[in-house]
Amino acid sequence: SAVISQKPSRDICQRGTSLTIQCQVDSQVTMMFWYRQQPGQSLTLIATANQGSEATYESGFVIDKFPISRPNLTFSTLTVSNMSPEDSSIYLCSVATGVGSTDTQYFGPGTRLTVL
Amino acid sequence: QKEVEQNSGPLSVPEGAIASLNCTYSDRGSQSFFWYRQYSGKSPELIMFIYSNGDKEDGRFTAQLNKASQYVSLLIRDSQPSDSATYLCAVARGFKTIFGAGTRLFVKA
Repeated sequence: SAVISQKPSRDICQRGTSLTIQCQVDSQVTMMFWYRQQPGQSLTLIATANQGSEATYESGFVIDKFPISRPNLTFSTLTVSNMSPEDSSIYLCSVATGVGSTDTQYFGPGTRLTVL
Repeated sequence: QKEVEQNSGPLSVPEGAIASLNCTYSDRGSQSFFWYRQYSGKSPELIMFIYSNGDKEDGRFTAQLNKASQYVSLLIRDSQPSDSATYLCAVARGFKTIFGAGTRLFVKA
């Protein structure tokens, strides 16, 4: 498994501003993922972040709105840009560990974002 | 049809009973199957994974996989009030993992 931390744990932001969420892992991992989970809903994958390459975004998510950085194998950031109340959600980072083509994902504690 | 389907519940069982959680998936090429537990306000935590048809046991938890029927289940024996949570089924093919919407479980003391 992996120990994952996220900062901030929660924030309340004003409409039109941006927030950067940090994800730190205690070991080097190839694949990091960013998810969004709205109240009472399941996890929605925003993008996959690989070190040294552009993030891969899922349908409905774009780089201008959710820019991602992955400067090394233990760290990533997700920025939620030009926020609106619809962006209020829990944002989760996860990492894939293991060997082979199918890896197990472990999640960070999440960042609870409220946009006013 | 959703890629991973779960009954949203809530599923209510008395303490000490067996809780049975079910999940179906649509992609026949799926390779790995996971169960996560998520307490309210917390992030998902991995309970079990299973790759092959049949049963896999870990303590009070048993995961069952039937690839022909595209069905995976989780049995929780001797259910405890602390097992009350939302259980997410996840199905992976390569590095692509799809999560179900989760089943809420209540264990009554």
